[in-house]
Formats: sequence, structure tokens, C-alpha cells
Amino acid sequence: GNSVTQMEGPVTLSEEAFLTINCTYTATGYPSLFWYVQYPGEGLQLLLKATKADDKGSNKGFEATYRKETTSFHLEKGSVQVSDSAVYFCALSGFAGASKIIFGSGTRLSIRP
Amino acid sequence: GAVVSQHPSRVICKSGTSVKIECRSLDFQATTMFWYRQFPKQSLMLMATSNEGSKATYEQGVEKDKFLINHASLTLSTLTVTSAHPEDSSFYICSALTGDPSTDTQYFGPGTRLTVL
Repeated sequence: GNSVTQMEGPVTLSEEAFLTINCTYTATGYPSLFWYVQYPGEGLQLLLKATKADDKGSNKGFEATYRKETTSFHLEKGSVQVSDSAVYFCALSGFAGASKIIFGSGTRLSIRP
Repeated sequence: GAVVSQHPSRVICKSGTSVKIECRSLDFQATTMFWYRQFPKQSLMLMATSNEGSKATYEQGVEKDKFLINHASLTLSTLTVTSAHPEDSSFYICSALTGDPSTDTQYFGPGTRLTVL
């Protein structure tokens, strides 16, 4: 079936470190891929998305490239800040014409000053 | 951008009472809204898909008589937790589709934290 697997957390980094959060997916057809961020006590916010192979989504210094050959959508940021501390969810939707989103389990990121 | 609101943001109720949570799309019409439940430190679990003017579609294992969903207009969906019990305590999040199939993006509300005593 369709699924999303992302690296388990928590991930703890120092400020200005390089960040990678791995995400791979299994899906039929050509899904859209997303990264959502959830700050403490809040709902989800769309961070970035990509709708077709080789598309790169980017926002707030974060990037992720839709790799169909490796079925991956890894999230990267060159220099993280304390304010990036949150839970990050990889997700997919749009498979087989459906609109339901399937979320990964989430990765908690903590940035030390 | 597309904004989705939820009301209330927090609610505490006694066991056996019913609680209604509202989800509104503020600057767009949403033909489809979704309701999720999130347990502490876990991912979101889709509870149901709500289409304006029709009955909601519930995911397997979700009790439709306990979680009543009404999507009465293109900007409002409500979730009513009937006869709430402590195990219903959770973070409930709604999302809405903009109706533009080319964007295929759900916009999420800020969530409602329900605590049942």
C-alpha cells in the first residue's frame, strides 16, 4: 500500500549545523509530496511541496527534491536556527486521484543555541 | 494564502458531555475538509473526509455515531464528539482543500485540544 517512512527522531543539532531529514515513500501512480512543520502547541503548516519528479520545493531555507528513482523526498537546510525546532512531517497525496494525505511518523528536531 | 481557523482552540469538558469543534476556511471555499486526530508525540490519523452537502466518509475504526461531522456550507465543517470520555482527549486538527485540483494542497487549522475529565 501507500506509505511514508521518515527517519526517527529526535534529532538534536547545534545552531548553524547542516540538517537532513530522510523521507522515502511507496505509492502507486504519481503522488504529490509535502513537508509539513508543527511548532509546539500549534497545528501543521505546509513547509514546501513538489508535485512531479525532479521538482525541488523550497521555503525558509529548507529544500527537498522529488526523486522518483529513489522514491525519496529528503528535507535539507544548510544552517539551522533555534527557531527551526519543531516536528517535521513528510507526506504524500494525490495518488490514484485521491486527496487523502498519508503522513510519516514525524521527526522531532531540537536546535541548541 | 489560504487560512483555516478552528474554534475553540482548547476545551475541557466533563465525561459524558458533547463537544462541538468548528473548522472554517476564511478566505476560500472548501468543498472538502478533513478531520484528523493526533495523540501526543504521534503522527496525524485521518478520521474522516467531509464533503459539503453530503455525508462524511469515515476511516476504518472511527465510530461515526461518536464523531458526528457536518459540512453545512462551503466554509464550515463541524466535528461533534458525543458522550465524550477521557480516552477521547486528544488534539483534533482539520484541513481544507481549496477546490483547485491543480494545487492539490491541504491547508490545516491550528488544532483544538480536547481534555475530557
